[in-house]
Amino acid sequence: LAKTTQPISMDSYEGQEVNITCSHNNIATNDYITWYQQFPSQGPRFIIQGYKTKVTNEVASLFIPADRKSSTLSLPRVSLSDTAVYYCLVGEFNTNAGKSTFGDGTTLTVKP
Amino acid sequence: GAVVSQHPSWVICKSGTSVKIECRSLDFQATTMFWYRQFPKQSLMLMATSNEGSKATYEQGVEKDKFLINHASLTLSTLTVTSAHPEDSSFYICSARGWGARIYGYTFGSGTRLTVV
Repeated sequence: LAKTTQPISMDSYEGQEVNITCSHNNIATNDYITWYQQFPSQGPRFIIQGYKTKVTNEVASLFIPADRKSSTLSLPRVSLSDTAVYYCLVGEFNTNAGKSTFGDGTTLTVKP
Repeated sequence: GAVVSQHPSWVICKSGTSVKIECRSLDFQATTMFWYRQFPKQSLMLMATSNEGSKATYEQGVEKDKFLINHASLTLSTLTVTSAHPEDSSFYICSARGWGARIYGYTFGSGTRLTVV
């Protein structure tokens, strides 16, 4: 199971773009990269998932270099409501052998 | 699609009693469910993995006789905290993976805040 490393915390201001990088040096061939957002006293919420290159959806982009040893979650024009903890998970999700183990996550604080 | 419902959202119980938490997949069949606990300002800690119809696999250090997990159907898993003590007070979260889920990964419940007094 790939261990992930993220910055503990980040600060930003409203309207800015925020990039959070996750290191996963021992990612396996069948592993996918998934990012979640968690607010206090709530379960994690899916943001985006990818395997390689770039993935974009209505809320974020995910950049994955060719070696897949890291990934970057990009949040465009953040608002105060984006203040939360962000986790990246790496795992083989498509088999019963896969399981998700959370790293420490990144606490993003968006200031006015 | 891919909705997981967890109940109750919060519960207060007396020390020594048991508490059951339910986790339901509403629009997909959950072949695998996971249970986590989370202490304040900490990450989620995986407690156990359960596959439908088989015994749960517990992570090291998690007492299987204290945290009873049942995954009897493809849409329901339960976690029972037996003989609860104040140190069991925590935020418990389930997640599910299975067929029909929109995302290729896990869907999480909203969590249960357990307070043992």
